[in-house]
Amino acid sequence: GAVVSQHPSRVICKSGTSVKIECRSLDFQATTMFWYRQFPKQSLMLMATSNEGSKATYEQGVEKDKFLINHASLTLSTLTVTSAHPEDSSFYICSGEAGGLNIQYFGAGTRLSVL
Amino acid sequence: EDQVTQSPEALRLQEGESSSLNCSYTVSGLRGLFWYRQDPGKGPEFLFTLYSAGEEKEKERLKATLTKKESFLHITAPKPEDSATYLCAVQGRNNNDMRFGAGTRLTVKP
Repeated sequence: GAVVSQHPSRVICKSGTSVKIECRSLDFQATTMFWYRQFPKQSLMLMATSNEGSKATYEQGVEKDKFLINHASLTLSTLTVTSAHPEDSSFYICSGEAGGLNIQYFGAGTRLSVL
Repeated sequence: EDQVTQSPEALRLQEGESSSLNCSYTVSGLRGLFWYRQDPGKGPEFLFTLYSAGEEKEKERLKATLTKKESFLHITAPKPEDSATYLCAVQGRNNNDMRFGAGTRLTVKP
């Protein structure tokens, strides 16, 4: 299957700082990338959908000014959590859609802990 | 709105004890139903896509089936390494995104 690399795998930061998470499709071009959030023992909740070269589409209740998404190329999308607070602590996962198949391939996730 | 319900929430099996996981869904025009496996602290790993009722797909000890209302993931003679959370997701004709179920946490004891 297609490979998606997500970095970093874990980050611990102080409250008020910003954190950037990178998501790269290594062996395919991802016109569309997705960002999810997952709380312990719960399923994936879609945060936003990003298309290369255009603004991301955010799900209801997700603050676009807090979770900045950039999808500058067909292989890279970034999520920046701005002015992080402890309630932002979670597991963030990205995925890329392999064109034409509607299949999403996921990164390994980023565990964010805000102190 | 698209909805996905998975059952049971958790399942404990003995090695070799076959069973099935259920995924019930409602969607406005199914484009695809997806099964993923997720290990703790990892991202989901793609297993299968099913597109139409009656379709079946197999991979090693896993077999996925689809009807107009639900999908089953059959696990034949499971091994401890099959222990994971299995996620089901649907994609409707009006959406590019997937809606995930809460998952079934499978534990296979040796």
